[in-house]
Amino acid sequence: SQQGEEDPQALSIQEGENATMNCSYKTSINNLQWYRQNSGRGLVHLILIRSNEREKHSGRLRVTLDTSKKSSSLLITASRAADTASYFCATGGGAAGNKLTFGGGTRVLVKP
Amino acid sequence: DAGVIQSPRHEVTEMGQEVTLRCKPISGHDYLFWYRQTMMRGLELLIYFNNNVPIDDSGMPEDRFSAKMPNASFSTLKIQPSEPRDSAVYFCASRETGVGGELFFGEGSRLTVL
Repeated sequence: SQQGEEDPQALSIQEGENATMNCSYKTSINNLQWYRQNSGRGLVHLILIRSNEREKHSGRLRVTLDTSKKSSSLLITASRAADTASYFCATGGGAAGNKLTFGGGTRVLVKP
Repeated sequence: DAGVIQSPRHEVTEMGQEVTLRCKPISGHDYLFWYRQTMMRGLELLIYFNNNVPIDDSGMPEDRFSAKMPNASFSTLKIQPSEPRDSAVYFCASRETGVGGELFFGEGSRLTVL
């Protein structure tokens, strides 16, 4: 079973626009991570936010975490064609211990 | 560092054949994970090791699947006998010690069982 569920499943935007995707999870966590996967490639870590943090930034990425609602969001600002990929949230620690459980992902298409 | 190295990148085999997938984790990483990715089921954790010891294999689908880690720099995932429903991309990932840290993924092994 998947711990995290992303929403929407797919997103199509124009270059320069912002892309927002959400993740909901079920059990307690120590942290939540976001990964990117380009077609045919492995996953690449983007950002980690701990359960005691509410917001974190990294370059054009902004992640929020609301543990009371068991949800997180990833915002990509000023998107580029190179941002076209699938984005996954993953939850670790807490009830899951050392496991990192991934959601179903959001497919993002950035049109030039 | 070369990152996590998986082989083969692509494997096409016939039902009933044995398949062995290989992984070399990043040097110094204590944890190694095997995931399977399919369109229908997404990314599923199959098994993970800590210091070469299998910790949780509850995700291994059935007895046809086995995984070993004979040393800190090598792991295998074996399927015997293979079935068409095993077709998927299999990822190996590793990370340093500590709870819930960043995973480093290999490029995956795409398995097709005919």
